[in-house]
Amino acid sequence: GDSVTQTEGPVTVSESESLIINCTYSATSIAYPNLFWYVRYPGEGLQLLLKVITAGQKGSSRGFEATYNKETTSFHLQKASVQESDSAVYYCALGNTNTGKLTFGDGTVLTVKP
Amino acid sequence: GGIITQTPKFLIGQEGQKLTLKCQQNFNHDTMYWYRQDSGKGLRLIYYSITENDLQKGDLSEGYDASREKKSSFSLTVTSAQKNEMAVFLCASSITSGTYQDTQYFGPGTRLLVL
Repeated sequence: GDSVTQTEGPVTVSESESLIINCTYSATSIAYPNLFWYVRYPGEGLQLLLKVITAGQKGSSRGFEATYNKETTSFHLQKASVQESDSAVYYCALGNTNTGKLTFGDGTVLTVKP
Repeated sequence: GGIITQTPKFLIGQEGQKLTLKCQQNFNHDTMYWYRQDSGKGLRLIYYSITENDLQKGDLSEGYDASREKKSSFSLTVTSAQKNEMAVFLCASSITSGTYQDTQYFGPGTRLLVL
């Protein structure tokens, strides 16, 4: 079946430092899945951060970027300069366009120190 | 905008008990989902429904039933609660499902504790 592996947390960085959270995927029944990053801020529900549905394209939101790399089957999340308000749990997810299902990674807890 | 409401927020049950979780959405979305999340893990799909009265099994459907009574509501029943089912249950909805995957919008979750 489909699977997603992401950086094991917790990850702690200082404010204004750069960040990368790794995500790699395996899609067994589909050549071009859709890829997503979801985020859960403290006290809030899970929400979409960004999505990319075309291989080779980059998605961006709130200063975060992720590029859909089919060659390395990766969708790493990056930010050049994090803020304390970025502290949250980040989930990488793969969307199977045959079944419509999302497969989630285990999540990465990010803490940004002031 | 819209909102997804899940009730109850916390559900405490006894081992072997039948327990029902409810979800309402006012996005007018066609597709609704139930996920289970264990501590420190990702979400796993239990059931989804692409329209009223439709039900599709996810990867974790054994031990659960679901019902899509109307477009705006989707309920999940734990048929016989087990101690290892302490988890958070998340409801989500999207405009459609299938080849073009719309964003899924999530509710706040129901936390289940089995005594």
